[in-house]
Order: sequence, then C-alpha cells, then structure tokens
Amino acid sequence: DVKVTQSSRYLVKRTGEKVFLECVQDMDHENMFWYRQDPGLGLRLIYFSYDVKMKEKGDIPEGYSVSREKKERFSLILESASTNQTSMYLCASSMPGTGSYEQYFGPGTRLTVT
Amino acid sequence: SQKIEQNSEALNIQEGKTATLTCNYTNYSPAYLQWYRQDPGRGPVFLLLIRENEKEKRKERLKVTFDTTLKQSLFHITASQPADSATYLCALPMNTGFQKLVFGTGTRLLVSP
Repeated sequence: DVKVTQSSRYLVKRTGEKVFLECVQDMDHENMFWYRQDPGLGLRLIYFSYDVKMKEKGDIPEGYSVSREKKERFSLILESASTNQTSMYLCASSMPGTGSYEQYFGPGTRLTVT
Repeated sequence: SQKIEQNSEALNIQEGKTATLTCNYTNYSPAYLQWYRQDPGRGPVFLLLIRENEKEKRKERLKVTFDTTLKQSLFHITASQPADSATYLCALPMNTGFQKLVFGTGTRLLVSP
C-alpha cells in the first residue's frame, strides 16, 4: 500500500515564524502535491512537483515555497507565517503514466498561526 | 475558470437506501472525473475514476455516471450503511495539466441506522 506521511498532525506557530511542513511517500511516485483545505473553499492546490527539483505553482502559491531535493520528500515552507495561513494542509502523491491519475493523500497537518 | 459544484448541504438518508450525490462542472470538457471519500480529520481517499467515453462505472456498492452533455456526474451508494457516512469529493483534471486536479467542496453524507 502507498503510504504518505506528514511530519505533524497538529502545529501551532506564531505570526512571522518560518514554518516547514514535511511530506514523505514510500512508493517512488514522481508527482507530489501540496493543498490547503478550508471550510467552504475545498481543497486548493498550492504547489505541484513532477520530479526532483521541479515544481509548478498551483492556484494559491503566494506566501509559500516548496523544496524537493529527494524523490520521496516534498516540503512546504511558509516563509513568514500569517494568521490567514491557518488551515489544514494536505500532501498527496501520484504516479504518471498509469492511467489512473489517482492521488494518495497524507493524514494532513492542521496548522494554527496565532 | 473551471468550476465544480457539489451540494453543500448534508445529505441525510436511512440505512439501506440509495444515496445519490451530484457533481456539476462548467468551463471544461474533462477527459476523466474522480470521486474521493474524506473522513473528518483525514486526507481524501480515492474511490473511482470514470473517463469521458464511459457512461457508467461500478465498484461493489458504488456506481458513478458521467454525462458530458449535461456536464454532470452522479455518485450512487446502494444499500447504504452508517459506515458510509463521510464527505464525498469529486475532482476533475485541471486545464493546465492532466496530472493536477480541481476538487469540489464536497457533500457530507449522513447515514442513520
């Protein structure tokens, strides 16, 4: 079974702090994704990576950056956390070329910025 | 821009009945559509994918239809059980890339015994 793990389930940070959210997948998937999920807005794509060191902006990249130095690990960075970044953050991975386009999600990190 | 609409109101049904959830979309002709299940505090889990040339897809008690003329997908759970209570999300590939998805906001299903 594909397993996607995220470094924390719950995180509380202060405004202005630099925040790192880590995601690891164990199935050698090429694609990895970071989403945030907010009530009434659903899942929104922040960044997408299709290979090591390769990334694309999603719909809401402002205030975020990402890093993918190894295939299995995809990090989301909040350079200077703000209260409007309080949200549930979900990481996902998928394998291109299989025809299923199925995304495998991690359990999520609930981030609160105070 | 691409837009996906799912009923934001919860759907309450009795155990044993068929639940039917709707996903409508605009401004796109997707090659496929996916359905996911999400339990509270957890990440979504993939259920089914249906392609544009398929009218219907089944998996155990689940059935998905895809009407590209109406721009609508229906998701059915037959013989529903309390364990089916969850939020169900539909997702379409983005215009900007086949691998990326746009998700609906989901419909919460509550199955009472």
